[in-house]
Amino acid sequence: DGGITQSPKYLFRKEGQNVTLSCEQNLNHDAMYWYRQDPGQGLRLIYYSQIVNDFQKGDIAEGYSVSREKKESFPLTVTSAQKNPTAFYLCASNTPTWTSGNTIYFGEGSWLTVV
Amino acid sequence: GIQVEQSPPDLILQEGANSTLRCNFSDSVNNLQWFHQNPWGQLINLFYIPSGTKQNGRLSATTVATERYSLLYISSSQTTDSGVYFCAVDSGTYKYIFGTGTRLKVLA
Repeated sequence: DGGITQSPKYLFRKEGQNVTLSCEQNLNHDAMYWYRQDPGQGLRLIYYSQIVNDFQKGDIAEGYSVSREKKESFPLTVTSAQKNPTAFYLCASNTPTWTSGNTIYFGEGSWLTVV
Repeated sequence: GIQVEQSPPDLILQEGANSTLRCNFSDSVNNLQWFHQNPWGQLINLFYIPSGTKQNGRLSATTVATERYSLLYISSSQTTDSGVYFCAVDSGTYKYIFGTGTRLKVLA
């Protein structure tokens, strides 16, 4: 089935460590996104990529890095520079078109906890 | 940037009741979506509705773009409707901005 796969579902990180969250989509979508959600809050955009080998910072990019080497994949690295990384991370994708609109689809998310 | 406000922030309903959720946005938008986030965190698409009215079963949505608001109607609510409802808007920059959500609890 087509969809967006995020892994791992749950991740524990020690302070000072970098961790990478995986996001893979088989929807043939051009654009991919990473959002962060804190408990009881809405979603905030970390990074987004409209095309392979190109990406832009969102509203809260500090302490995060991404790459987009393949259309299907958009991994997110949470670096040790991110001071409060404990959160729920959501990956999304879409292919904006003038005719079909801009519907965005989400993966099931990854829970990151710093211990 | 665009500001998105949702109301009410919290809502408790008895099963079978109807409700209306509102999303106000501060500037013109090209795209608007409604999502339901279930208790496991999964975001489910409900409607892509930059303008006009759509219906899907017990749910319907209306966006009045000229007045910068959208409404989500839930009729005959069920306990499975519980969760958080988000609206998200995009002004054509590829950056969907989310509201803070409406937390709905439907009691049996």
